[in-house]
Amino acid sequence: KQEVTQIPAALSVPEGENLVLNCSFTDSAIYNLQWFRQDPGKGLTSLLLIQSSQREQTSGRLNASLDKSSGRSTLYIAASQPGDSATYLCAPWMDSSYKLIFGSGTRLLVRP
Amino acid sequence: NAGVTQTPKFRVLKTGQSMTLLCAQDMNHEYMYWYRQDPGMGLRLIHYSVGEGTTAKGEVPDGYNVSRLKKQNFLLGLESAAPSQTSVYFCASKPDSSNTEAFFGQGTRLTVV
Repeated sequence: KQEVTQIPAALSVPEGENLVLNCSFTDSAIYNLQWFRQDPGKGLTSLLLIQSSQREQTSGRLNASLDKSSGRSTLYIAASQPGDSATYLCAPWMDSSYKLIFGSGTRLLVRP
Repeated sequence: NAGVTQTPKFRVLKTGQSMTLLCAQDMNHEYMYWYRQDPGMGLRLIHYSVGEGTTAKGEVPDGYNVSRLKKQNFLLGLESAAPSQTSVYFCASKPDSSNTEAFFGQGTRLTVV
């Protein structure tokens, strides 16, 4: 059974810092991995999708890496802003099982 | 482009009542999912569908039923609501099994009293 762990569970930083959010998964037989953002009381917004054949994907100030063999993905946020405050969720897409399995998320607060 | 739309957005039920949550997507996606989100537990998969007329159980299917009679709609039913089903329910859809993103609805907040 796939287990997804996100560290840290919560993070509070001053504006402008560069951040690293970690995601680990126990079953490396994944098809791809998707990072989401969730604002309080809202749905999930897709940030990045990394295919299993890729090692990283970039969108603006966000960069996500994937190491299937070690079961790890990292979301890097450059020059954080208060508007980045949200919960960040990673979800590996399980190979041949059609399922997205979620971690519990990292709750980020960027202080002005 | 509406994307994934969930109805209703909020609902309060009494224990033992039944209800149906509707998920509609206008992107012609094959795969659809129902998740529940509880504090400290992340999102857990209830049921999913890989095409019209198909359904399958996820991690926490007990107490729920689903139907996918039309490709664009995925219904989640609670036959006899229990307080343990108080949660936020999210629907998602994905084009198919290729390397494509999943898209989520805005959620349904359900309280069972």
